[in-house]
Amino acid sequence: AQSVTQPDIHITVSEGASLELRCNYSYGATPYLFWYVQSPGQGLQLLLKYFSGDTLVQGIKGFEAEFKRSQSSFNLRKPSVHWSDAAEYFCAVGHPPGDSNYQLIWGAGTKLIIKP
Amino acid sequence: DAGITQSPRHKVTETGTPVTLRCHQTENHRYMYWYRQDPGHGLRLIHYSYGVKDTDKGEVSDGYSVSRSKTEDFLLTLESATSSQTSVYFCAIRGVRPTDTQYFGPGTRLTVL
Repeated sequence: AQSVTQPDIHITVSEGASLELRCNYSYGATPYLFWYVQSPGQGLQLLLKYFSGDTLVQGIKGFEAEFKRSQSSFNLRKPSVHWSDAAEYFCAVGHPPGDSNYQLIWGAGTKLIIKP
Repeated sequence: DAGITQSPRHKVTETGTPVTLRCHQTENHRYMYWYRQDPGHGLRLIHYSYGVKDTDKGEVSDGYSVSRSKTEDFLLTLESATSSQTSVYFCAIRGVRPTDTQYFGPGTRLTVL
């Protein structure tokens, strides 16, 4: 069965430091891959997505993610975090692409805490 | 902003009562989804719709029903609410190809006492 794993439930990073959030998936083919962010009490906002082409994708708010097929990973990175980045981050896999039964499979989320 | 609204935004109800949540979209998207979000579980799909009167079950459909009589509205009904259905409910639409990105409404926080 398809699954998405975000191994870190919480991550604490100092403001200005770099960030990497991990996401691993289990899927038979190359899926569509997404990162969403959810600020407290808010809905989910799309940060970035991968569906083909360049394996390094750029998103909003200075985030990027790299698809590594050999590791079944799609890790999210940011070179320098800001206090406003404190939120919960979700990785999702979309399958089967283009199909009428298309669904997103979600990781459990990683809560990012920023130290001043 | 994908033009998705949810109502009500907050609701407190009692065990055993029926509850209906509404999702409304303004952009004529064919596919719509209902999720619930609980700590430690991410989002779990309840039901989805691929057109007017066309719906299917998701991962956690027990105790929920849906209806879609118009393209713009997707209703989620808890026939007899239970405390285990206390959650935050999100509606989403499926955007256009090629990426089929899903866009979310603001959510409804439901508390069942």
